[in-house]
Amino acid sequence: DVKVTQSSRYLVKRTGEKVFLECVQDMDHENMFWYRQDPGLGLRLIYFSYDVKMKEKGDIPEGYSVSREKKERFSLILESASTNQTSMYLCASSFDRGGEKLFFGSGTQLSVL
Amino acid sequence: ELKVEQNPLFLSMQEGKNYTIYCNYSTTSDRLYWYRQDPGKSLESLFVLLSNGAVKQEGRLMASLDTKARLSTLHITAAVHDLSATYFCAGGYNNNDMRFGAGTRLTVKP
Repeated sequence: DVKVTQSSRYLVKRTGEKVFLECVQDMDHENMFWYRQDPGLGLRLIYFSYDVKMKEKGDIPEGYSVSREKKERFSLILESASTNQTSMYLCASSFDRGGEKLFFGSGTQLSVL
Repeated sequence: ELKVEQNPLFLSMQEGKNYTIYCNYSTTSDRLYWYRQDPGKSLESLFVLLSNGAVKQEGRLMASLDTKARLSTLHITAAVHDLSATYFCAGGYNNNDMRFGAGTRLTVKP
């Protein structure tokens, strides 16, 4: 089975801190994605990557950056955390860019105080 | 930009009853997905609908797609408690274009 692992289930950070969210997939998927999930808003795409060292902005990239140094790992970085970034963050991966279904990690609930 | 609207957002059902969740989308979409999310858990793919008239069924859930009406439905037959979860629909041509609905939180009561 495909496994997408997010390093932390819960995180509490202070305003202004730099925050790293890590995601690892074990199925050699080319595509990896970061979403945030907020009640009533569904999932919104922050960044995605189709290959190592490649990244593209999604719908809400402001305040975030990403890093993909290895195929299996995709990191989301909050350069200076703010309270409006309190949310559930979901990592996902897929086999190709042809609209295949996504495999999701279990999520990281981030609270910024 | 594709916009996806689900309704209802909250649904409370009695066990044994039938109901339908609706997913409308604003522009042409190559495909439509349904995902399930249990509380505190990851999203899990249920169905991928690839063409007009597509119908897929698994257990008590059946999904259909009408691309002309820009509508997908998820029909629940004889609901059981185990179906309690949040259901998301999503549409798009590629993963980077995929847009999710807000989700329908389903509660099945005895």
